[in-house]
Amino acid sequence: GAVVSQHPSWVICKSGTSVKIECRSLDFQATTMFWYRQFPKQSLMLMATSNEGSKATYEQGVEKDKFLINHASLTLSTLTVTSAHPEDSSFYICSARGRLAGSGEQYFGPGTRLTVT
Amino acid sequence: DAKTTQPPSMDCAEGRAANLPCNHSTISGNEYVYWYRQIHSQGPQYIIHGLKNNETNEMASLIITEDRKSSTLILPHATLRDTAVYYCIVRDSGTASKLTFGTGTRLQVTL
Repeated sequence: GAVVSQHPSWVICKSGTSVKIECRSLDFQATTMFWYRQFPKQSLMLMATSNEGSKATYEQGVEKDKFLINHASLTLSTLTVTSAHPEDSSFYICSARGRLAGSGEQYFGPGTRLTVT
Repeated sequence: DAKTTQPPSMDCAEGRAANLPCNHSTISGNEYVYWYRQIHSQGPQYIIHGLKNNETNEMASLIITEDRKSSTLILPHATLRDTAVYYCIVRDSGTASKLTFGTGTRLQVTL
């Protein structure tokens, strides 16, 4: 299957700072990328969907000004957590779907664990 | 997208087949059944998907009932590395459709 990478795999930051997480599709062009968040012992929650060159669509309850998403190319999407607070500590996972993957697979990155102190 | 119902947990002895059920009684005609699994602290891994025919790949088999209201994921020879949370998700084929995760089934494979 296709490979999706994330960087960094883990990050610790101080409260009030911003953190950027990168998501790359390594061997296919991702027309659509998704960002999920997962708290301990809970399931994945979709935060937003982004299409290359377009503004992201955020799920209800997700602050678009706090979680900035940029999908500037067919292989790269970034999630920036602005003015992070301890309650933003979570496991952030990106996912990518290719141009021809209408009914096909959606591939997930390995996740980024964010800890805000 | 249709909602799915899975048992919260299951055990399976190593080497035996693991049969994970999923109910999706409100599935519509253009929705596919997807299975993913998540090993602790990793991103979800795609396993298999199908529309109405049974499917098999190197990882698993997917059996979908004729009325499509339920399905079973079969891991033919479970190993300890198959211990994970397994998610059954239904999604249509539209480019704007999303994978929405439920609570899944936590499969524990034991010696």
